[in-house]
Amino acid sequence: AQKVTQAQTEISVVEKEDVTLDCVYETRDTTYYLFWYKQPPSGELVFLIRRNSFDEQNEISGRYSWNFQKSTSSFNFTITASQVVDSAVYFCALSERDTNAGKSTFGDGTTLTVKP
Amino acid sequence: DTGVSQDPRHKITKRGQNVTFRCDPISEHNRLYWYRQTLGQGPEFLTYFQNEAQLEKSRLLSDRFSAERPKGSFSTLEIQRTEQGDSAMYLCASSLDRQGPYFGPGTRLTVL
Repeated sequence: AQKVTQAQTEISVVEKEDVTLDCVYETRDTTYYLFWYKQPPSGELVFLIRRNSFDEQNEISGRYSWNFQKSTSSFNFTITASQVVDSAVYFCALSERDTNAGKSTFGDGTTLTVKP
Repeated sequence: DTGVSQDPRHKITKRGQNVTFRCDPISEHNRLYWYRQTLGQGPEFLTYFQNEAQLEKSRLLSDRFSAERPKGSFSTLEIQRTEQGDSAMYLCASSLDRQGPYFGPGTRLTVL
């Protein structure tokens, strides 16, 4: 069975600080996908990134970066120079099997509060 | 707007009533998913369609729940004889091969 653990329930930072959200996963499959979603107070899940298990290259998109390490089964997400608009619940998710990447197991989320 | 849309956004019903939700996926997305999310939890997978075929259902989907995607485009999720435990946000998502999945805004169901 697959499992996603986001150990940090809540994080609070001051604007412009860097913050890292942790995600640890468990799966028996060798082929799988990992995702991060943002859920702002409005409630809609916003797709941030999808990474397959064969691509361990770190990715950067603006102030966002992701660190995928198969050796530790982790897929951590860093926001650089955080802003108030980054305040949201962030979910990490895991999907087994390339053919069904939308059937995902989600973690319980990390609530990030960025204070001005 | 070409994103996933869901209707209604909010539904309040009395216990025992039937409700139906609609999801319109992103155009040309062949895969459609339903999830349920309760307060403080991550979304939980309910069911999945590839085109019009329902390929997988979660154990969470009791006999009171039924989903359809008649022409491989929009999908409906019906809950019969609603119970207070059905109160949740019902999310729809769609994907195409290696894109997404992308989620809609959800339908918030409150069962009184």
